[in-house]
Amino acid sequence: DAGVIQSPRHEVTEMGQEVTLRCKPISGHNSLFWYRQTMMRGLELLIYFNNNVPIDDSGMPEDRFSAKMPNASFSTLKIQPSEPRDSAVYFCASSPLSAYAGGEQFFGPGTRLTVL
Amino acid sequence: QKEVEQDPGPLSVPEGAIVSLNCTYSNSAFQYFMWYRQYSRKGPELLMYTYSSGNKEDGRFTAQVDKSSKYISLFIRDSQPSDSATYLCAMSAASNTGNQFYFGTGTSLTVIP
Repeated sequence: DAGVIQSPRHEVTEMGQEVTLRCKPISGHNSLFWYRQTMMRGLELLIYFNNNVPIDDSGMPEDRFSAKMPNASFSTLKIQPSEPRDSAVYFCASSPLSAYAGGEQFFGPGTRLTVL
Repeated sequence: QKEVEQDPGPLSVPEGAIVSLNCTYSNSAFQYFMWYRQYSRKGPELLMYTYSSGNKEDGRFTAQVDKSSKYISLFIRDSQPSDSATYLCAMSAASNTGNQFYFGTGTSLTVIP
């Protein structure tokens, strides 16, 4: 079975540009999570969806960040405009359980974002 | 106080040693306890998953949960160089208000051949 799929795997862009990260969760999973990982702060939860509905975006650092999940098999995380401090690895994870139930999450390979 | 505390290490052991990794937590509502392994430049990989207290064994790996002490452990027997990675504990609770899922900061492990 395919796991969580993320694209692109690497993204290098210049400050001020729009960046769109993509995620395809595991088929049949009910909840989806976006994380950011840096050496300084570790894994940070940005936003999560339950049955395609955004539940909590309190982890999104600024209005420059937005996320959508138009259907059960696709989600995007957009940064507009991007800044150098947004450089990090962004992970998407999905869970077979409701976001309200807790339980295990399965992670994608991540997108390594560098903003120059 | 952080929800989950994990010693960042780094931890360096010789091949064949028994490794003990630990996390403490403060929220007694946590019910699900997980260990993830993350190799350099890869995503976290679910290694062990335990519900409530007790032990769970999978090959060379044993996960222990002591809810009374709010303490979880991961033991690796006969450690191998391929076990060199960062290990993250994670725990979660069901909640009517939304997801309660917390990660530790990770312990970096190196197994020396």
